[in-house]
Amino acid sequence: EPEVTQTPSHQVTQMGQEVILRCVPISNHLYFYWYRQILGQKVEFLVSFYNNEISEKSEIFDDQFSVERPDGSNFTLKIRSTKLEDSAMYFCASTGGKGNTEAFFGQGTRLTVV
Amino acid sequence: AQKITQTQPGMFVQEKEAVTLDCTYDTSDPSYGLFWYKQPSSGEMIFLIYQGSYDQQNATEGRYSLNFQKARKSANLVISASQLGDSAMYFCAMREGRVQGAQKLVFGQGTRLTINP
Repeated sequence: EPEVTQTPSHQVTQMGQEVILRCVPISNHLYFYWYRQILGQKVEFLVSFYNNEISEKSEIFDDQFSVERPDGSNFTLKIRSTKLEDSAMYFCASTGGKGNTEAFFGQGTRLTVV
Repeated sequence: AQKITQTQPGMFVQEKEAVTLDCTYDTSDPSYGLFWYKQPSSGEMIFLIYQGSYDQQNATEGRYSLNFQKARKSANLVISASQLGDSAMYFCAMREGRVQGAQKLVFGQGTRLTINP
């Protein structure tokens, strides 16, 4: 079964450092997303991306965040200057198959800011 | 107002019993989709089942079925013949708007299901 792949699975970073989270969406999907889950809380939408541009973003997705699809396969989330409260599980997701009724998530990147 | 409400923070069920996880939603959009995900302790989000607002029949996927009651705005997940491996957090999520295009999902708070041997 096709899957969304995220790297790394766990990243520890110093406060103020830049991090890049990487994702390889399902190859025939057209729409890509980042979500965040703070420990013990619900999953929150960050941003959606289509045709090489952001289609929607939440209030969480401020100027510290950016997304990019640098080549035909990777989809990245960059946090420019990490804060303690950025510690969370970050999920990449993609949609577009089977009449767009599937929304598959990657296994997540656990980001710990110290 | 909460768009997705999961009223059961935790449930305990004996192995092999059926279990129903509740989910109610709130939307004024006639076109929407409802998703259920399983999140085991390892953390990944596993897609289980999808129900579209215009689908005439309740969705089924193996041991999972969705009890979709549109008038009540509920989309409960039913797991038949529960197994120890079903122990996990379960999230209900909703996509508003037409099925084509980018679809932001809004998630509920989740229900932690524990299957006892």
